[in-house]
Amino acid sequence: EVQLVESGGGLVQPGRSLRLSCAASGFTFDDYAMHWVRQAPGKGLEWVSGISWNSGSIGYADSVKGRFTISRDNAKNSLYLQMNSLRAEDTALYYCAKSTHYDSSGSFDYWGQGTLVTVSS
Amino acid sequence: QSALTQPPSASGSPGQSVTISCTGTSSDVGGYNYVSWYQQHPGKAPKLMIYEVSKRPSGVPDRFSGSKSGNTASLTVSGLQAEDEADYYCSSYAGSNILFGGGTKLTVL
Repeated sequence: EVQLVESGGGLVQPGRSLRLSCAASGFTFDDYAMHWVRQAPGKGLEWVSGISWNSGSIGYADSVKGRFTISRDNAKNSLYLQMNSLRAEDTALYYCAKSTHYDSSGSFDYWGQGTLVTVSS
Repeated sequence: QSALTQPPSASGSPGQSVTISCTGTSSDVGGYNYVSWYQQHPGKAPKLMIYEVSKRPSGVPDRFSGSKSGNTASLTVSGLQAEDEADYYCSSYAGSNILFGGGTKLTVL
């Protein structure tokens, strides 16, 4: 059974940093691209970042480019999102999602339950 | 990176069919056959319903179907059931990023 478990969310002040983690199990982690998708309270889905199976291809939404860094550790079956210079508008539930492809072109066939990030003073 | 355009709401009676549109550009929806549709019930994670424009993952009822014409993709739900009431989001690969639509709230009357 595929499982994605996010952690690392919490309350953080504007301008500070936070690191999210996603522990994956139930599939061959290094065969697939992985993504972060967020959802602000009461709002729609927003793609944040994606990383290919071997970290060779990485993409970011314009809204987070230069502030967020995605990475993965295939030996640990884990995905990460380093979030710096956080803003109030980054407040959202952050989902880890598995791609159907090895690169970033695929769909998201499995999702975690999300970890809540609240940016507020 | 503009979001894809979806109608904010759609509705239908049980047994009827409803179609939700998703409009993008030639740089996303029109340029790739990587359009997906997700269903999200309140308080739950999204669920993949359609991928690569018209393919259904295992376990998704064949009442759900997808298509694309030019820069507009569509999700059709036939034989509406009460449990189909949810938010639906389209997404498309756009070369170096992925775009989502704003979401459509489907109400089963």
